Amino acid sequence: AQRVTQPEKLLSVFKGAPVELKCNYSYSGSPELFWYVQYSRQRLQLLLRHISRESIKGFTADLNKGETSFHLKKPFAQEEDSAMYYCALVQGAQKLVFGQGTRLTINP
Amino acid sequence: EPEVTQTPSHQVTQMGQEVILRCVPISNHLYFYWYRQILGQKVEFLVSFYNNEISEKSEIFDDQFSVERPDGSNFTLKIRSTKLEDSAMYFCASSSGPILYNEQFFGPGTRLTVL
Repeated sequence: AQRVTQPEKLLSVFKGAPVELKCNYSYSGSPELFWYVQYSRQRLQLLLRHISRESIKGFTADLNKGETSFHLKKPFAQEEDSAMYYCALVQGAQKLVFGQGTRLTINP
Repeated sequence: EPEVTQTPSHQVTQMGQEVILRCVPISNHLYFYWYRQILGQKVEFLVSFYNNEISEKSEIFDDQFSVERPDGSNFTLKIRSTKLEDSAMYFCASSSGPILYNEQFFGPGTRLTVL
């Protein structure tokens, strides 16, 4: 079965330090992966998607098929990055499968 | 900027009662979705809807659940006879095209509490 695993429920780093939020997946075929973010009291929103190869708010994510990973990285964390982060993959045509989420806290 | 809206923000109901959760997707979107998140657990897909019919549904979406687009703007999720385990946050989402290439926009959620 297709699955997304985010091994860290909580991650705390200091402002200015590098951030890496881990995401591993199991999928038969070529996966299409996303990162979603939910800031405090706001709705879930798309942060970035694998297919676009983009960098949003300084975040990047590279698909590593050998390690079945799609880790989210940012070289220098900012306080406004504190949020809940969800990794997700597309299953079938219209279904998103989410990981458990990682709560990122950036300490001043 | 257009947004997906959901009403009510919080719904409390007795076990066995029917509830209808309402969503207004973004106006030019064609694909609609419901997800739920039980407290402390992951966001789970329930159903997707396109061209006035269900295009995909999960094993959670059993006969107790139904969706409808009764007019040109609303998209509803009905739970026929609520159970305690239906207590969760329910998110509606919409997209202009298939989610592989089009962003899925989420609503703020409706918190359903079944007593």
